[in-house]
Amino acid sequence: EDQVTQSPEALRLQEGESSSLNCSYTVSGLRGLFWYRQDPGKGPEFLFTLYSAGEEKEKERLKATLTKKESFLHITAPKPEDSATYLCAVQPTGNQFYFGTGTSLTVIP
Amino acid sequence: NAGVTQTPKFQVLKTGQSMTLQCAQDMNHNSMYWYRQDPGMGLRLIYYSASEGTTDKGEVPNGYNVSRLNKREFSLRLESAAPSQTSVYFCASSDGIGGMRFTGELFFGEGSRLTVL
Repeated sequence: EDQVTQSPEALRLQEGESSSLNCSYTVSGLRGLFWYRQDPGKGPEFLFTLYSAGEEKEKERLKATLTKKESFLHITAPKPEDSATYLCAVQPTGNQFYFGTGTSLTVIP
Repeated sequence: NAGVTQTPKFQVLKTGQSMTLQCAQDMNHNSMYWYRQDPGMGLRLIYYSASEGTTDKGEVPNGYNVSRLNKREFSLRLESAAPSQTSVYFCASSDGIGGMRFTGELFFGEGSRLTVL
C-alpha cells in the first residue's frame, strides 16, 4: 500500500536555528516527490519536485533532497515568515498523488 | 490573474441536504482535482479529471459525484450530506498529470469550508 509519513508533526524553531523535516514513503514505483507549503486558511502552494534519488532542489532558505526511501526539507536560518505547514506528496506510477499529514513549523522571532 | 476559484467559501448543511461545490480555473490546464483536508488525515483525493471529458475516482469517492463541465470547470456534488463529510474541500488544477509535461505543480484554490450538522 502506498504510504507517506511526515515527521515531526510540529516543530518550533528560534529564528536562525536550522533544522530538517522528514518525509518517508513506501510506494510501488515513484514518478515524483513533491513539497508544498500551506499557510493557515489557504490552499497549498507548490515548492519543489524531485524525481530521482540523489536529486536536490533549493529555493531561498529551503533545500529539498531525495533518497530511495525518504526526502528531507532542510531549512537554513529560518525567519518568522517561514512559519507554515509543509506538506510532502508522492506520485507512484499512475495518476494519483498521496499527501502526508504535514509538519507544522513555527519560527519564533 | 484569478487562478483557481472555488465557491462557496463557507457552507452549513443539515444531514441529508444536497449541494454542489463549484470550481473554475483560468490557466488552460487539462487536469483538475477535488481534495478534502481533515485534521490528522492530510489531503485526500476524492475525484480527479485528467482531461476534459474524463473523470476518475480517488482515495475517498463514496458519497460524492463530479462533473467536468468543460475545460475550465469541475464541480463536486454531495447528494445527501452526512456529518462525516464535514471538511475543508480544495479544488486544484495542473498541466496533464499523465503526460511528459507534468511537473508536480498543482494550483490550489482557497478552499470551501463545509459543516454538516
